[in-house]
Amino acid sequence: SAVISQKPSRDICQRGTSLTIQCQVDSQVTMMFWYRQQPGQSLTLIATANQGSEATYESGFVIDKFPISRPNLTFSTLTVSNMSPEDSSIYLCSVKGTGRGYNEQFFGPGTRLTVL
Amino acid sequence: EDKVVQSPLSLVVHEGDTVTLNCSYEVTNFRSLLWYKQEKKAPTFLFMLTSSGIEKKSGRLSSILDKKELFSILNITATQTGDSAVYLCAVDNQAGTALIFGKGTTLSVSS
Repeated sequence: SAVISQKPSRDICQRGTSLTIQCQVDSQVTMMFWYRQQPGQSLTLIATANQGSEATYESGFVIDKFPISRPNLTFSTLTVSNMSPEDSSIYLCSVKGTGRGYNEQFFGPGTRLTVL
Repeated sequence: EDKVVQSPLSLVVHEGDTVTLNCSYEVTNFRSLLWYKQEKKAPTFLFMLTSSGIEKKSGRLSSILDKKELFSILNITATQTGDSAVYLCAVDNQAGTALIFGKGTTLSVSS
């Protein structure tokens, strides 16, 4: 499986500020995704990060609030903009298509965000 | 609409018990079903199932898929406190898209 790292692992931010989360994979992957998991809830897909083009957002998520970059096949960033306490969640980077098991999807260690 | 339903939502057992977690699904163009264990932040991969009737095993954990009845079960035998976690079921419905997750089953194992 791919080794996925995320930075930061956790952060406490003030309302109205923005935070950029980085996701780095140790090998080229076909697909990269960003999920959110609010307290006590299951995983919710925010968007698919597309290499070299705009991300594909799920219903309820917009680019202005969650801009995403994916400059190459091993790296992506998610920015949480103009944060409010409702954005307090765990944010997870996930990858698929690592070569050995195309359908297997793996997760990074997550970023725990608290907005005051 | 594609969906994945897990049951029960939560479960409390004693160490040594055997548990069965359920996952049913309704998806178009089914490709595979995956099980994950989530303890703190990140889900860790357990199994991927693509064919009916073939049991996957890893230690005390095993899982099987029934593509006719559209469900899967995850069994854990001789449970330990370290098995306490949220178990997530997800379905892959086609290449190029993210998995569809159920809400998870929260398992608590008491000593």
